[in-house]
Amino acid sequence: QKEVEQNSGPLSVPEGAIASLNCTYSDRGSQSFFWYRQYSGKSPELIMSIYSNGDKEDGRFTAQLNKASQYVSLLIRDSQPSDSATYLCAVEGFAYSGAGSYQLTFGKGTKLSVIP
Amino acid sequence: SAVISQKPSRDICQRGTSLTIQCQVDSQVTMMFWYRQQPGQSLTLIATANQGSEATYESGFVIDKFPISRPNLTFSTLTVSNMSPEDSSIYLCSVRRGVQETQYFGPGTRLLVL
Repeated sequence: QKEVEQNSGPLSVPEGAIASLNCTYSDRGSQSFFWYRQYSGKSPELIMSIYSNGDKEDGRFTAQLNKASQYVSLLIRDSQPSDSATYLCAVEGFAYSGAGSYQLTFGKGTKLSVIP
Repeated sequence: SAVISQKPSRDICQRGTSLTIQCQVDSQVTMMFWYRQQPGQSLTLIATANQGSEATYESGFVIDKFPISRPNLTFSTLTVSNMSPEDSSIYLCSVRRGVQETQYFGPGTRLLVL
């Protein structure tokens, strides 16, 4: 069974600091990796996608992928109170059961609190 | 991105009843997905809905409990049948869009079963 593991937190960082969120996955054949942000009472919102080893930067967000270590991370620079949310790591792999198509497997999420 | 709407946004239901959730997308998509997010948990895929064929259910989910319709390429419904308090959850519609088939989520339907 495909697994995606995240530290549930809560992770507390002071405003302006770097928040580091980590995720490991079990399916070595996975090719696509995503970070979703979910505010309390809201649905997940895609904030980053990464498909190849290395870093990908988008504004204050940097996603890092290491397929050999089966590890993906999200760095949030200059953290703001508005970044306080649960961050879900999602890994795409082929599911031979069910629909027999590419599916996302989600981690349980890391709750981030940015303290003013 | 994709514009996805769901109705109802929330509901409180009595056990033993059924609720149908609607999902509307702003443009045609091949596959629509239904997820469940139980309190404090992550997202679990219930089924994949393709237009013109039966929905495909994941392990632990059955058609009698969660019948799905997909009458066209922009619309789908999920029914939660014979509800019990364990069905209290957020139900999310999702679609894939774009060259890299990025997955987007609707606003969700918050269901409380008493």
